[in-house]
Amino acid sequence: DIQMTQSPSSLSAFVGGRVTITCRASQSISRYLNWYQQKPGKAPKLLIYSASTLQSGVPSRFSGSGSGTDFTLTISSLQPEDFATYYCQQSYSIPPNTFGQGTKLEIK
Amino acid sequence: EVELVEFGGNLVKPGGSLRLSCAASGFTFSSYSMHWVRQAPGKGLEWVSSISDNSGSHIYYADSLQGRFTISRDNGKNSLYLQMDSLRADDTAVYFCARGILVFQGGYYFDYWGQGALVTVSS
Repeated sequence: DIQMTQSPSSLSAFVGGRVTITCRASQSISRYLNWYQQKPGKAPKLLIYSASTLQSGVPSRFSGSGSGTDFTLTISSLQPEDFATYYCQQSYSIPPNTFGQGTKLEIK
Repeated sequence: EVELVEFGGNLVKPGGSLRLSCAASGFTFSSYSMHWVRQAPGKGLEWVSSISDNSGSHIYYADSLQGRFTISRDNGKNSLYLQMDSLRADDTAVYFCARGILVFQGGYYFDYWGQGALVTVSS
């Protein structure tokens, strides 16, 4: 099975700042990597699919990059509503449809 | 507007059974794969099961379920189901249904999610 490892597990940042979250796959997954945002008590929301394609309606301050085994999610100019937990997920093959363990982004 | 609504979450005793439903609207249900993802309290997301579009001829389960869960769909009712048997305490979680988009070799991403149904397994 493909394992997905995110880093860091948590981080804090200022409103207006910039953060980068990393996701590493245990084997090459080409660009089949997706990012989700989840706020407490809510369902996850798709942000980015296929490594860098922004889902419709997602603000352009979110961006994704990477291929093979290493991927990043960058949020520029952090807004108060961006403080949440972020998950990566591989869509290279199933089963299983593996998620990373999550990265909690908190306000500094 | 795409909407997914889960039903059937409840408190159940260990060894018991429960059936979750997910009612879909706002899109052609039969044309999309559907999936269940769960989240134990304070934990991350765990994929549970997937069923392909149309006839649902391709079905997958997480190994951790050990054959205790069964996914199914009724395209005439725009509904997805998860039959859960021999429930254990570690099945306690919020169960989300999600619509899937096929990208490669059977891999999916999930573009719409329901609000989740809480399943609590406890004596």
